[in-house]
Formats: sequence, C-alpha cells, structure tokens
Amino acid sequence: AQKVTQAQTEISVVEKEDVTLDCVYETRDTTYYLFWYKQPPSGELVFLIRRNSFDEQNEISGRYSWNFQKSTSSFNFTITASQVVDSAVYFCALSEASGTYKYIFGTGTRLKVLA
Amino acid sequence: DAGVTQSPTHLIKTRGQHVTLRCSPISGHKSVSWYQQVLGQGPQFIFQYYEKEERGRGNFPDRFSARQFPNYSSELNVNALLLGDSALYLCASSLGRWNSGANVLTFGAGSRLTVL
Repeated sequence: AQKVTQAQTEISVVEKEDVTLDCVYETRDTTYYLFWYKQPPSGELVFLIRRNSFDEQNEISGRYSWNFQKSTSSFNFTITASQVVDSAVYFCALSEASGTYKYIFGTGTRLKVLA
Repeated sequence: DAGVTQSPTHLIKTRGQHVTLRCSPISGHKSVSWYQQVLGQGPQFIFQYYEKEERGRGNFPDRFSARQFPNYSSELNVNALLLGDSALYLCASSLGRWNSGANVLTFGAGSRLTVL
C-alpha cells in the first residue's frame, strides 16, 4: 500500500537556523515519483521539487536541498539559513507510475521561523 | 499567464444542502484533479478528469460527483452535505498524459467550505 509519513507535526526555528523536514514513504512499485509542496497561509500548494525513483542524486536549489535515499525510503528536505518567509506547511507526496494517477500526501509539517 | 482559478473562495452551507465548486485549469492543461483537505491533514484525492472523462476516483461516497467541460474547466458537486464535508477543496491541473505519475500538479488556492 502507498503511504507517506511526516512524523514532525510542527517545527519552530529561529531565523538563519538550518532545518530538516523528514519524509518516509511506502510503495510496492519500483517506479514512482516523490514531490515536495509548500502551503503558505493563502492555501495554495506551491510545487518545490519532483524526484523519480531512479534518480537518487541529491539536489540543491538555492537555500533548499533534498536528500533522497531509497535504502531507507526517505526523501528529506533541508532549508539552510531559514527566513521568516519560509514559514508554511510543507507536504511530501508520492505518485506511482501506473494505476490511478493521484498523489498520496503526508500529513504535513508546519514550519515556524521566528525573527 | 493565469494559474488555476477556483470559485467560490469561501462558502457556508447547512447540512443536507448541495454545493458546486468550479475550477479553471491553466491554459493548455487537459487534466484536472480534485482534492479534499481537512484541517490539519494532507490533501486527499477525490477525482481526476482528462479530456472530459473520469480517469480516477478516490475513496469518497457517491454524494461526490464531478464533470469536465469541453473547455477543460471542471465542477465538483457534493450532495446532502454533512458536517464532515467541511474542508478546503483544491483543484489541480497538469499538462502531461493523464496516466503519468510524473506529472506535476499545479494547484489553485482552493474553495473553503464550511458546513453548519
């Protein structure tokens, strides 16, 4: 069965601290896709990144970086030098390559960055 | 270019009523999906439509229905509203084939439904 677990419900950090958001997934498919989305208070989910199951290269984009490890079924997200504007709810999601095309979302991690 | 637009943004209904939510996808996107997000939870898949045909349905009762129009816009209908239907309803569109898990969904800001 597909499942995405974000064990951290809420994290608070002080501005300029680094913070890592954890995501663990379950799937029986060998081909799948993982996503991170950001949901600010306005409610709109904003796409951040997509990784496929065959590409375990870690990725860095500005202050954001992602660590994908198939061995531990994890796809963690790190924000370096956090800023107040990073405050939002972050969702990890899984999509399989076949069957019903849908995302399975985790329950989200609320990040509060304090000035 | 306009993103995914949804209407209304907020609405209040009473138990037993009916509601229709509307979504306009990004121009050129033929696939529209609907998700329900209950407060404090992640979005849950309700429907996917592609080229006006239902391509996927989540674990929701028959009170939930949807359709897609020739211009690719979509409506989500919920009958006999229950208190538990109170949620943010998100519409998303995507450019790729309907059955590709690689598709990136672009979400609208949602319609927040409160059922009293």
